Parts: sequence; C-alpha cells; structure tokens
Amino acid sequence: DQQVKQNSPSLSVQEGRISILNCDYTNSMFDYFLWYKKYPAEGPTFLISISSIKDKNEDGRFTVFLNKSAKHLSLHIVPSQPGDSAVYFCAASAGADKLIFGTGTRLQVFP
Amino acid sequence: DTEVTQTPKHLVMGMTNKKSLKCEQHMGHRAMYWYKQKAKKPPELMFVYSYEKLSINESVPSRFSPECPNSSLLNLHLHALQPEDSALYLCASSQGGRYGYTFGSGTRLTVV
Repeated sequence: DQQVKQNSPSLSVQEGRISILNCDYTNSMFDYFLWYKKYPAEGPTFLISISSIKDKNEDGRFTVFLNKSAKHLSLHIVPSQPGDSAVYFCAASAGADKLIFGTGTRLQVFP
Repeated sequence: DTEVTQTPKHLVMGMTNKKSLKCEQHMGHRAMYWYKQKAKKPPELMFVYSYEKLSINESVPSRFSPECPNSSLLNLHLHALQPEDSALYLCASSQGGRYGYTFGSGTRLTVV
C-alpha cells in the first residue's frame, strides 16, 4: 500500500528550463510534506517543505506547490542546472516522527 | 557539527555473523531513525527513537536489534541476516519530522 506515489520514475530536462516533479498521496491525515534530493551512495538531503495549511512555499530556485483537494504536490526547479541531476523523493508526515517516502523520480538535466 | 556520521560505509557479512551498524549526531536532535533502502525503492522506516526511547518499530524482524546508548548514538545490531536483507541502511536525526531529517550517507550491507 503505497501512500505516497511519484508516478514518473524519470525526467529529463534541458539546462535552464523548468523541472517539474510530481507527487500524489492518498492519506488525508498527512499534514506536512517534504522534498529530498539523493545522489548515489549518499543519504537524502532535505530540500524544501510545506505545511498543509499553505499552498506554496519558495526557496531560491525551488518552489513546492500543494493542492490538498487533489492530494497532489509538485516541486518546481527553475532554472534547472546539471548539478540538480539526482533522485528526488517526496515525503509526507502524519505525525511528529514518521515520514513516508514516495517512490522517487530520477531527474537528469542535460546541457 | 551538522552531520550524521554512519560507520562502516560498507559491510559484508555471512548469515551466521553478528555485526553492528553505528550512527552518531551532535546536533542535539531528540529523534533518531533507522531506514532501509533497497535498490530503486524509497527509504522504508524501521525504527524511531525519541528522547533515547524506542517509539516506533515498524514490525521489523528480531534479527535487527536497535539500541540507543545516549542521545548522540544509535546502533543497529545484526544477527542471522538473510541475503534479502542486503540494502543501504540509513540513519537520520531530527528535532521532529516536520523540521526535516538529516541523513547519514548510509551503510551498504551485503549478506552472503
């Protein structure tokens, strides 16, 4: 039972363009959402988060949008850079100490 | 210090061996976590310690035994593992999941 899903296993974007990574969830009790970036052989790195009481949060090149009615969130990266190439996980929290991770999307940014 | 340090980085063990994975953080985080990640899969929660007490056990087999000796250290004791337990084991710490976790770089475990 995958409560957090990222339906696109991979995404390829040209440098300078926008990358949009999507995430869907099923549990309406989730009240906090986070995005992590992961390089091979490293642990995930926290990128940006959003509370369920908001619909948008921005940090530099990264913006997360939340659509609660659709149970959908997205991460926008503008402009995309080659160093952004990694696996991106969305994660959701329904309590203080339990994060549920999505299946991941491999982003490749090419020159 | 803003890191979570995991040792060893790689471990190969036989099915009859006993080994331990170690994790250390000095950020004063109250919660520490063990996650398991198989190839091309998301990290899966195994255990959570909050204020040095085990608060969540995600029905993990008893061949995995966590230990939190103090607020900075987290161990995972391994005994009689199976080849399917081969994975990347990630440790993380946080002040609460909403603040984001700080992950270590993981221990790549191979059971032979």
